[in-house]
Amino acid sequence: GAVVSQHPSRVICKSGTSVKIECRSLDFQATTMFWYRQFPKKSLMLMATSNEGSKATYEQGVEKDKFLINHASLTLSTLTVTSAHPEDSSFYICSATDGRLAEAFFGQGTRLTVV
Amino acid sequence: DAKTTQPTSMDCAEGRAANLPCNHSTISGNEYVYWYRQIHSQGPQYIIHGLKNNETNEMASLIITEDRKSSTLILPHATLRDTAVYYCIVRPGGSQGNLIFGKGTKLSVKP
Repeated sequence: GAVVSQHPSRVICKSGTSVKIECRSLDFQATTMFWYRQFPKKSLMLMATSNEGSKATYEQGVEKDKFLINHASLTLSTLTVTSAHPEDSSFYICSATDGRLAEAFFGQGTRLTVV
Repeated sequence: DAKTTQPTSMDCAEGRAANLPCNHSTISGNEYVYWYRQIHSQGPQYIIHGLKNNETNEMASLIITEDRKSSTLILPHATLRDTAVYYCIVRPGGSQGNLIFGKGTKLSVKP
């Protein structure tokens, strides 16, 4: 299947700092990428949808100024958690589709810990 | 909200077949059934999907009832590495929208 690479896999940061997470489609052009968040023992919750070259669409309750999403190319989307707080600690996962694939493919996830 | 219902957890002996049920009684005619799994601390992995015919690939088989209100994912020879949370998701065909995850079934494969 198609490959989606997410980096870093783990990151620890101090409160108040910003963290950038990258999501790359390695062997296809991702016209749409999705960002999810998953808290312990919970299911994945969609945060936002990004289409290449346009602004992301955020789900209700997700602060767009705090979770900055950039999808500047067909193979790369980034999620920046700005002014991180301990409650932002979570597992962040991206997925990507090229508009033709029946299935979406997921990155490995990023474990963010804010201390 | 997820449109599927799955048991919270199941156990399976290593080497035996794992049969994971899913109810989707409100499925529409154009909606496919997708299965993903998530091994601990990893991103979800696509397994299989189908519309109304049974499907098989190198990972699993998908059996969909004739009325399409339920389906079963079959892992023919479960291994310890198949221990994961398995998600059953319904989604319109041709949709490029996001996947809506329910709580899934925690499958524990035991030696």
